[in-house]
Amino acid sequence: GAVVSQHPSRVICKSGTSVKIECRSLDFQATTMFWYRQFPKQSLMLMATSNEGSKATYEQGVEKDKFLINHASLTLSTLTVTSAHPEDSSFYICSAPSLGQGLDTQYFGPGTRLTVL
Amino acid sequence: GENVEQHPSTLSVQEGDSAVIKCTYSDSASNYFPWYKQELGKRPQLIIDIRSNVGEKKDQRIAVTLNKTAKHFSLHITETQPEDSAVYFCAAGGNAGNMLTFGGGTRLMVKP
Repeated sequence: GAVVSQHPSRVICKSGTSVKIECRSLDFQATTMFWYRQFPKQSLMLMATSNEGSKATYEQGVEKDKFLINHASLTLSTLTVTSAHPEDSSFYICSAPSLGQGLDTQYFGPGTRLTVL
Repeated sequence: GENVEQHPSTLSVQEGDSAVIKCTYSDSASNYFPWYKQELGKRPQLIIDIRSNVGEKKDQRIAVTLNKTAKHFSLHITETQPEDSAVYFCAAGGNAGNMLTFGGGTRLMVKP
């Protein structure tokens, strides 16, 4: 199947700092990528849809000024958590759909565990 | 928007038994229904998916059924093994390229 990578896998930061997370599709192009957040023992909650060359679409309740998304190329989307606070500590996962050629499904990155002290 | 309900939240079975997880969805426009397996601290891995033009799909020990009229779909795992122990999520979406709405997850424990 298609491969999606994420970097970093784990980050610990102080409250008030900003953290950037990268999501890459390694062997296919993705005009759309999705960012999810998962708290311990809970399901994946969609935060936003990242669109290459245009603004991201945020889900209700997600602050667009706090979670900045940039989809600069067909293989890279970044999520920046600005002025992080302890309540932002979570597992952040991106996904990308690989369409056509029998790979018509979504693939997830390995996730980034963010801990804000 | 779409709402996906998943049951049960936890399921414990004996090795070799079957396990069934059920999901319902609300948006009749949804036509793509994947199932993911997630081990602790790892990414969700697609194990099987089904589209609305198909009522059932099977892949070795795993099968999924879909009832569009009733808006529910189910995952069936036969001959369970300890390595099947994980959290399973169902999801629903317009198609594979669209956003997915996830169910709450089922923690499956297979006892040896």
